[in-house]
Amino acid sequence: SQTIHQWPVTLVQPVGSPLSLECTVEGTSNPNLYWYRQAAGRGLQLLFYSVGIGQISSEVPQNLSASRPQDRQFILSSKKLLLSDSGFYLCACWGPSYEQYFGPGTRLTVT
Amino acid sequence: QKEVEQNSGPLSVPEGAIASLNCTYSDRGSQSFFWYRQYSGKSPELIMSIYSNGDKEDGRFTAQLNKASQYVSLLIRDSQPSDSATYLCAVSPYGGSQGNLIFGKGTKLSVKP
Repeated sequence: SQTIHQWPVTLVQPVGSPLSLECTVEGTSNPNLYWYRQAAGRGLQLLFYSVGIGQISSEVPQNLSASRPQDRQFILSSKKLLLSDSGFYLCACWGPSYEQYFGPGTRLTVT
Repeated sequence: QKEVEQNSGPLSVPEGAIASLNCTYSDRGSQSFFWYRQYSGKSPELIMSIYSNGDKEDGRFTAQLNKASQYVSLLIRDSQPSDSATYLCAVSPYGGSQGNLIFGKGTKLSVKP
């Protein structure tokens, strides 16, 4: 079965600073990968998904971007963080039984 | 706009009781339905999936699907304090294929000892 790794686990960044969050997946090949954000007291918001290397689809226009440099690596970035970027960032992929699984998440606080 | 609606709760039940969590969805063409459990500060954990009308049982959990009513529910029998969490309902327009899930905002369940 697949395993999803995310780092860092927690991050505190000032407004205007850059961001890079990483997700890697083990135990599967050519997975569809997803970035979600969960803001405090709110639901899961799909940010980006990728069906292959270099293929990124954006669900919500904002100051974030995503990249997929390798088959099992998905990166979420920002050039300048906003206070509203604070939240719990989750990477996800589909398992072999067509069920979606989440990584452990990165908690980002923008100060 | 495809939507998934859940009562935010909190739903409070005594230990040993049956907890009933409900979810409605707007896209009549939805094919796959999932329930996730999310403990505070943790990522969502898949607990049940259901694809056909009727009931699906897994241990103390039963998922129920009624496509005609666009309604899916999760029953937790013999509720335990460890079941206290937020339960997320998710829906996909695809069956047996990868696609984007649409999530409800979740129902917070509290099981009192």
